[in-house]
Amino acid sequence: DVKVTQSSRYLVKRTGEKVFLECVQDMDHENMFWYRQDPGLGLRLIYFSYDVKMKEKGDIPEGYSVSREKKERFSLILESASTNQTSMYLCASSGNGNTIYFGEGSWLTVV
Amino acid sequence: QKEVEQNSGPLSVPEGAIASLNCTYSDRGSQSFFWYRQYSGKSPELIMSIYSNGDKEDGRFTAQLNKASQYVSLLIRDSQPSDSATYLCAVNWGRDDKIIFGKGTRLHILP
Repeated sequence: DVKVTQSSRYLVKRTGEKVFLECVQDMDHENMFWYRQDPGLGLRLIYFSYDVKMKEKGDIPEGYSVSREKKERFSLILESASTNQTSMYLCASSGNGNTIYFGEGSWLTVV
Repeated sequence: QKEVEQNSGPLSVPEGAIASLNCTYSDRGSQSFFWYRQYSGKSPELIMSIYSNGDKEDGRFTAQLNKASQYVSLLIRDSQPSDSATYLCAVNWGRDDKIIFGKGTRLHILP
């Protein structure tokens, strides 16, 4: 089975803090994604990556950056957290065939 | 403008009946289509994928794809209370591996 692991499930951070959300997949997938999910807005793509050291902006990249130094790991970085970034963050990966597999999610609260 | 549209619901269906969920998409170049189920507070899990016009059956679930009309549907036969969840339609955008999600339909199975 595909396993996508998000190391932090629940976080509370202060406004202005730098936040790292880590994601690791164990299926040698080329593609990795970061989404956020908010009530009424659905899943929105923040960034995605097709390969190591490669990244592409999704629909809502503002306020976020990403890092992919190794194929299995894709990190989401909030340079200066703000209250409007309180959300559930979902990491996902896919290989050939496009099927996306999600991690369990990271619930971030910014106070 | 890339769009995947779903009726937000809630869709209420009696236990044992057939639940029908619909999705339309805007990109004629899309080739891959997915249905995910998401329970409250959990991450989405894949139910089915479909790539060709017609029906695809898996247990109580049937996915239907009509590329000419740009819609994809999911039928759930013999609905169970455990089927109560939000169902997300997902479509690849263009010829790449970027996946766009609809906002989901909330399904409520009435005991």
